[in-house]
Amino acid sequence: GDSVTQTEGLVTLTEGLPVMLNCTYQSTYSPFLFWYVQHLNEAPKLLLKSFTDNKRPEHQGFHATLHKSSSSFHLQKSSAQLSDSALYYCALSYPYSNNRIFFGDGTQLVVKP
Amino acid sequence: DAGVTQTPRHEVAEKGQTIILKCEPVSGHNDLFWYRQTKIQGLELLSYFRSKSLMEDGGAFKDRFKAEMLNSSFSTLKIQPTEPKDSAVYLCASSLGTANTEVFFGKGTRLTVV
Repeated sequence: GDSVTQTEGLVTLTEGLPVMLNCTYQSTYSPFLFWYVQHLNEAPKLLLKSFTDNKRPEHQGFHATLHKSSSSFHLQKSSAQLSDSALYYCALSYPYSNNRIFFGDGTQLVVKP
Repeated sequence: DAGVTQTPRHEVAEKGQTIILKCEPVSGHNDLFWYRQTKIQGLELLSYFRSKSLMEDGGAFKDRFKAEMLNSSFSTLKIQPTEPKDSAVYLCASSLGTANTEVFFGKGTRLTVV
């Protein structure tokens, strides 16, 4: 079945260090992949999504590359900021399952000074 | 530009009570989702509607949870009877319904069952 796996429940790192949050997926067809971010007491919102033409999506310093060979869409940022502390969800959808979106379990990122 | 609106933002219920949570999706969106969010389980899908038709009903939640969408601009989630383990944030979300489009979330209803 379709699924998204985020292996880390919690990632803690120091401000200025690089960020990488893991996301792998299982799907029968080529999916679209997304990252959503949820800051404390706010609604989840879209951070970035994969393109159909294999361009690398970027937003607010974050980027992610869709690797079909390894079924991954890891989220990366070169230098973490305190304001990046939030809950991050990886998600997938594709046109063959009612277009429903499937979310991973989420990774809590804590950036310390 | 109105996003997804959920009411109430907070709800306190006694065990055994019936509560109804409300959601107004983004105008023109075809898909509507209800999720339960907890720290342990993350986002759990409760119900999924497409063009007001129920497409998916979270199996583990069928007995006490019932979502309805009587028109395209309003949905309710009824929990009957409530139990303390239902304490969580309930999120409503909507989208256009095509594969690569954004899902918009409401701010959620925080339910506490005592």
